[in-house]
Amino acid sequence: NAGVTQTPKFRILKIGQSMTLQCAQDMNHNYMYWYRQDPGMGLKLIYYSVGAGITDKGEVPNGYNVSRSTTEDFPLRLELAAPSQTSVYFCASSYSYRGSGGTEAFFGQGTRLTVV
Amino acid sequence: QKEVEQNSGPLSVPEGAIASLNCTYSDRGSQSFFWYRQYSGKSPELIMSIYSNGDKEDGRFTAQLNKASQYVSLLIRDSQPSDSATYLCAVIKAAGNKLTFGGGTRVLVKP
Repeated sequence: NAGVTQTPKFRILKIGQSMTLQCAQDMNHNYMYWYRQDPGMGLKLIYYSVGAGITDKGEVPNGYNVSRSTTEDFPLRLELAAPSQTSVYFCASSYSYRGSGGTEAFFGQGTRLTVV
Repeated sequence: QKEVEQNSGPLSVPEGAIASLNCTYSDRGSQSFFWYRQYSGKSPELIMSIYSNGDKEDGRFTAQLNKASQYVSLLIRDSQPSDSATYLCAVIKAAGNKLTFGGGTRVLVKP
């Protein structure tokens, strides 16, 4: 019963470095999401995917890239890290039915990223 | 206009009282609605899901959905100090089926 697994849990990056946040789900969900959460704020959608090979931008995609080569995995790439990317990152997955809504999202444990 | 709006709070309620949280959404075609609870430093966890107009009860929690007025609410009865958390409203929009969250309402239950 792994659900959604995120790695790493914590990371400190220097300005200009790059890294990949890993996310994997074992529930055969078609939708996967990346959110960021700044202190005291709600969840802002970075990117999402409706299935393998298909990704789309959320409300805050600048500075990030994603890929979805398999149903299970949805890595988030940070290029040229900036202090503004200091945040907690959550990966989530759900099953959605085209045009008919979908089920609840399950979340990973989060990655706390600090850019210094 | 934000896609999903919530009052940020904090909503302070005495122990044993009813906490009432509201959420409005902009996409009239939205199909699925969720309430999540998030403790500080933790991941959001699902409390309730609701898909059709009316009330849905689960223990001390009741979700209410009114699609005509585009709002969804959450009632917490007999509030306990352990209910102190941030409550996030989430909506699956018709366009793109993506899951969008409100900013959350912080609830403080005082003994």
